[in-house]
Amino acid sequence: EIVMTQSPGTLSVSPGERATLSCRASQSINNNLAWYQQKFGQAPRLLIYGASSRVPGIPARFSGSGSGTEFTLTISSLQSEDFAVYYCQQYNYGPPVAFGQGTKVEIK
Amino acid sequence: EVQLVQSGAEVKKPGATVRLSCKASGYSFTDYYMHWVRQAPGKGLEWMGLINPANGETVYTETFQGRVTITADTSADIAYMEMTSLRSDDTAVYHCATGARRASGASPLDPWGQGTLVTVS
Repeated sequence: EIVMTQSPGTLSVSPGERATLSCRASQSINNNLAWYQQKFGQAPRLLIYGASSRVPGIPARFSGSGSGTEFTLTISSLQSEDFAVYYCQQYNYGPPVAFGQGTKVEIK
Repeated sequence: EVQLVQSGAEVKKPGATVRLSCKASGYSFTDYYMHWVRQAPGKGLEWMGLINPANGETVYTETFQGRVTITADTSADIAYMEMTSLRSDDTAVYHCATGARRASGASPLDPWGQGTLVTVS
């Protein structure tokens, strides 16, 4: 079973600054990785798939990179609406579908 | 617009059964898997299982095998998730979400339903 590990658990960032979130897979998942954003009280929203492809309508300040076991989500200049919890998910293997435990991005 | 609309909040006693629904619109219901994911208060996302509405085949994670049944009504484009023998630690928000039909069974999930809060108390 694949285990997805995200770091850090919480990231404190000032508006306008860059945020870098990490996700590690317990074994290679090629580029079959998705990133989701979840705001309080809302359903998760797909941001990135294929490790680096943005869903249409997602702002260009969100970018994904990586392959194999190490992945990164970068938010280039944090806006107020970006403060949320972010989850990674592998879909190279399954089921079960494996999510990371989440990274909370909070206002510094 | 592709949309998933879930049924309303439920309050159940321990030991009871709950059945949640997820109404799909805006796409061909049988062309995509339907997944169920739960989220306990303040916790992360936990995948429960999926159904292929085209043929009714289901897959469940071990945690829920035997206690959860996912079904689909293709005449109404509705997926259901039934959970039996409810416990207090089943208190959570339950989401449905669509995913592409891939050999692995897993895929990016998009869109998601708004979630249904189930309280067991």
